[in-house]
Amino acid sequence: DGGITQSPKYLFRKEGQNVTLSCEQNLNHDAMYWYRQDPGQGLRLIYYSQIVNDFQKGDIAEGYSVSREKKESFPLTVTSAQKNPTAFYLCASSIGSPNQPQHFGDGTRLSIL
Amino acid sequence: AQSVTQPDIHITVSEGASLELRCNYSYGATPYLFWYVQSPGQGLQLLLKYFSGDTLVQGIKGFEAEFKRSQSSFNLRKPSVHWSDAAEYFCAVGVLPGGGADGLTFGKGTHLIIQP
Repeated sequence: DGGITQSPKYLFRKEGQNVTLSCEQNLNHDAMYWYRQDPGQGLRLIYYSQIVNDFQKGDIAEGYSVSREKKESFPLTVTSAQKNPTAFYLCASSIGSPNQPQHFGDGTRLSIL
Repeated sequence: AQSVTQPDIHITVSEGASLELRCNYSYGATPYLFWYVQSPGQGLQLLLKYFSGDTLVQGIKGFEAEFKRSQSSFNLRKPSVHWSDAAEYFCAVGVLPGGGADGLTFGKGTHLIIQP
């Protein structure tokens, strides 16, 4: 079955450490997105990519980085510059038109040790 | 920039009763509107979407939503809720093609509690 796979489901980070969250999709979608979810805040867009080798900052990109070397993959790195990284991170993909819905993975919960 | 408001943070409904979740948006043109549902610790599942045409749209799990341009609203309804409907519900808006596929703007969500 086609879908979006996020790994790991739970991730722990030490102070000053970079961590990378994986997102893979086999839906043949062009566009991919990363959102951050905090309690009572809804979802906020971190980065998005419409095609391979191109990506754009969203509303809260500071302290994060991404790459899009393959159509299927859109990893997110949470750097040490992100001072409050504890959150639930959701990856999504879509065909690429705003009138097409986004499909979401099951998320990664990142916590600070 | 577009914005989405879900006025109710929590709603409690008895099982078998009807449900309406409110969503208001702010955007200069006709938006693309979506409702998603999220179970604890899970990703989001699309319930329904509105792009154009008939203002009453049907979705999965017996949900429907009505687009009212005059009120800038896109409220979600269900005639009879089941205990399994307890979850977090998000309304979202997408921009027109001129802005590219640059993600959705989400409301802060409504937490639905079902009473037996």
